[in-house]
Amino acid sequence: QVQLVESGGGMVQPGGSLRLSCAASGFTFSSYGMHWVRQAPGKGLEWVTFTRYDENTKYYADSVKGRFTISRDNLMNTLYLQMRSLRSEDTAVYYCAKGASKDFHYMDVWGKGTTVTVSS
Amino acid sequence: QLVLTQSPSASASLGASVKLTCTLSSGHSTYAITWHQQQPQKGPRFLMKLNSDGSHIKGGGIPDRFSGSSSGAERYLTISSLQSEDEADYYCQTWGTGIQVFGGGTKVTVL
Repeated sequence: QVQLVESGGGMVQPGGSLRLSCAASGFTFSSYGMHWVRQAPGKGLEWVTFTRYDENTKYYADSVKGRFTISRDNLMNTLYLQMRSLRSEDTAVYYCAKGASKDFHYMDVWGKGTTVTVSS
Repeated sequence: QLVLTQSPSASASLGASVKLTCTLSSGHSTYAITWHQQQPQKGPRFLMKLNSDGSHIKGGGIPDRFSGSSSGAERYLTISSLQSEDEADYYCQTWGTGIQVFGGGTKVTVL
C-alpha cells in the first residue's frame, strides 16, 4: 500500500538547521509531485512547499521562502526538506504528502508526520 | 486573494447526519477543493476531491457515508450515519498558481 514515513524531526535552537526526510513506498515516486505541510501546536494545516516530479518546478509559502529548500531523490524514493534559520514559529508537526499528479495539484496521501521544536 | 472559510465547529448525534460548509473567496467560485479528515493525534487523511459541479472523486477506502456537493462558491461535505470515529477535524483545501490554501478546519463532535 502507499506509505509515506517522515523522519529527522527534533529540537533545535533558534537560528539552527534541520533536514527532514520522507521515505515513500507503494507507488511510483518518480511520477508524482510531492508536498510538505505543517501544523503548529493546536493550529490548522499550513502548506509549506512543493516539488514537481522532476524538480523542474518548486513552490514555497512566503513564510519559509529563502530559508527552506525542498528536494527529492527519485532513485531512493525519498523527499527532503532542508530547514535553515529556524524560528520559534516553525515549531510544528511536518507532514509529507503525495501530490495527485506529476504537476502542482492537491494532496491525496499523507504521512504520519515528524515533530520539529525550535526553542532555546 | 484565494481564501477558504469554514465554521469552527459542528455537532450531531450518533447515527445522524452533519453537513460541513467550505466557502471560496470572491472570484474563485469555480475552483475545485479537497476534503481531508484528521482524527485526534493522527495525520490527515484525504477524503475526496470535489468539483464545482458537485462531481467528486473519493480516496481509497472512504465509506459511502461521506459525500460531497457544491452550490456556487460553497462546497459541502455530508457525513451520514455518524459514527464515533467520525469525531475529527475536517479541512477543505484548494490550490492556485504556486499556492495551496487550507481552510481553518471544522471540529466535528459526535454527541
